[in-house]
Amino acid sequence: SAVISQKPSRDICQRGTSLTIQCQVDSQVTMMFWYRQQPGQSLTLIATANQGSEATYESGFVIDKFPISRPNLTFSTLTVSNMSPEDSSIYLCSAGQGRGGYTFGSGTRLTVV
Amino acid sequence: GENVGLHLPTLSVQEGDNSIINCAYSNSASDYFIWYKQESGKGPQFIIDIRSNMDKRQGQRVTVLLNKTVKHLSLQIAATQPGDSAVYFCAENMGGNKLVFGAGTILRVKS
Repeated sequence: SAVISQKPSRDICQRGTSLTIQCQVDSQVTMMFWYRQQPGQSLTLIATANQGSEATYESGFVIDKFPISRPNLTFSTLTVSNMSPEDSSIYLCSAGQGRGGYTFGSGTRLTVV
Repeated sequence: GENVGLHLPTLSVQEGDNSIINCAYSNSASDYFIWYKQESGKGPQFIIDIRSNMDKRQGQRVTVLLNKTVKHLSLQIAATQPGDSAVYFCAENMGGNKLVFGAGTILRVKS
């Protein structure tokens, strides 16, 4: 299965700023996704990162707030824009070849102050 | 949509006992289900999967049962060990190859 490197692993950011999270996969994959996990809760899907086209966002998430890039089959970025304390969470990248059984990165723990 | 929950349910078991973790899924059209294990500070790790044309699948020390009639999934862990302590999530493929996660259960193994 694919191995995912996600960075940064954690960051503390000022409100109103933006943070870009990188996800690098060690092999070409069909599917890449971004999730958010609030402390003590389950994972919520933010969007599907589509190679060469705009990401597909889930209900409640918009491109202006969470712009996503996927320039090739091994790399994606998620930006958290104009951050507020409510954006403090763990952000996770996931990747795989379709259907499911996807691999996850270790996550980015974001604190907004 | 959001999976909202203030607290995850907790299952406490004695080391060596069997554990059963349950999950109710939402979409009767989902055709593929996965159990993940998440340890503190790490991303979810794949444990076992099952397709909707099966009702049981066994792995090493783990068994997944699927009841489509009541949209219920369970994970059985045999001879639970301290290293099994983690949060366990079920996930369903709701179409479009994307996974939606259930609420999660904390498993605590007492030595």
